[in-house]
Amino acid sequence: GDSVTQTEGPVTVSESESLIINCTYSATSIAYPNLFWYVRYPGEGLQLLLKVITAGQKGSSRGFEATYNKETTSFHLQKASVQESDSAVYYCALGGGGRALIFGTGTTVSVSP
Amino acid sequence: AQTIHQWPVAEIKAVGSPLSLGCTIKGKSSPNLYWYWQATGGTLQQLFYSITVGQVESVVQLNLSASRPKDDQFILSTEKLLLSHSGFYLCAWSLDWGGRGQNTLYFGAGTRLSVL
Repeated sequence: GDSVTQTEGPVTVSESESLIINCTYSATSIAYPNLFWYVRYPGEGLQLLLKVITAGQKGSSRGFEATYNKETTSFHLQKASVQESDSAVYYCALGGGGRALIFGTGTTVSVSP
Repeated sequence: AQTIHQWPVAEIKAVGSPLSLGCTIKGKSSPNLYWYWQATGGTLQQLFYSITVGQVESVVQLNLSASRPKDDQFILSTEKLLLSHSGFYLCAWSLDWGGRGQNTLYFGAGTRLSVL
């Protein structure tokens, strides 16, 4: 079936360190999947961080990057140098084919000063 | 700018009691509307979607119901809560043509529900 698996949290990193959250997907019933990263900051609603709809393309936002890799069915989220304000819950999601978005379980990231 | 407001922010309810959660979208006419739910430690699941006033489609059966009484309002309710209803409920809207929200979704801040 269709599914998303991402890094289990919580993840704790120090400010200015790099961060990577792994995301792999299975899209057996979606011919051309769209891939998303959503983020929920403390006290706020879930919001789109970045989206990539074409395999091989990279999306970026707020210093985060993710590349849609069809060969490895991955969409890892990376940031070279995190800040305390990046503390949040990050969700990888899969969409397309007229189906509801399929979310991963979320990864809680805490950035310590 | 579009805004989405959910109420209440949090609820603590007894098993067997009724529930009503609401969501209002301002600044966008005829949005597609969705209810999502996340149990503690679980994934976000879509419960319902609505493309137009008065029409709601169920995606997952959880002994909940949804209604869209106005273009900008989406209500989630049940007459009898179960322990398994506990979790985090999110309302969302999108512009895409499909009812399933496979494209960009815009979420509210959510309602934390604890059923005791």
